[in-house]
Amino acid sequence: KAGVTQTPRYLIKTRGQQVTLSCSPISGHRSVSWYQQTPGQGLQFLFEYFSETQRNKGNFPGRFSGRQFSNSRSEMNVSTLELGDSALYLCASSPSGASTDTQYFGPGTRLTVL
Amino acid sequence: AQSVAQPEDQVNVAEGNPLTVKCTYSVSGNPYLFWYVQYPNRGLQFLLKYITGDNLVKGSYGFEAEFNKSQTSFHLKKPSALVSDSALYFCAVRDSADRGSTLGRLYFGRGTQLTVWP
Repeated sequence: KAGVTQTPRYLIKTRGQQVTLSCSPISGHRSVSWYQQTPGQGLQFLFEYFSETQRNKGNFPGRFSGRQFSNSRSEMNVSTLELGDSALYLCASSPSGASTDTQYFGPGTRLTVL
Repeated sequence: AQSVAQPEDQVNVAEGNPLTVKCTYSVSGNPYLFWYVQYPNRGLQFLLKYITGDNLVKGSYGFEAEFNKSQTSFHLKKPSALVSDSALYFCAVRDSADRGSTLGRLYFGRGTQLTVWP
């Protein structure tokens, strides 16, 4: 089975721009979660989608948004980029998002904001 | 509130020696515990998890972890370290009592950098 894929792997943007990141989960997985990883804050939960519905949301401003499509693929969007948004953005999928499920992570998208 | 602590930012061990990476947690219900490893410029790779049952959990690449409810710990161990084990290790927890907006959310520790020297 193919793993979680994320595109693009690297992205360079300037302040004020917006960006869209894509995630394709493992086949059959219906839950997709997004995390932001920075050296200072560690791994922080952004949001989780299941069956095209956002079920959970972390403590991030409204500039961060996401969606999930009927094939479980997910995108996240960051508008009006700030320097502090530079991070590794990780996507993870699991079968149903149940508390006992294992989340499987993609390789991440490295976003640099100049 | 749920939380995970990894008290050591860095662990150094000689190849062939046993290694331990420490993790303690705090939840209101029962814990579901996970260990992940991250190599440079890569995503997180699942190693093992504890849901219920035997306190000693065996995982990938010879790693195991011991769940200790009284000490609220879930330390990662390996009997004989390899140089290739050098990486960043994350402990994570979910709370069985979570409902609604926190259901299924994983809470991560800050990570422990393991260095195995030859």
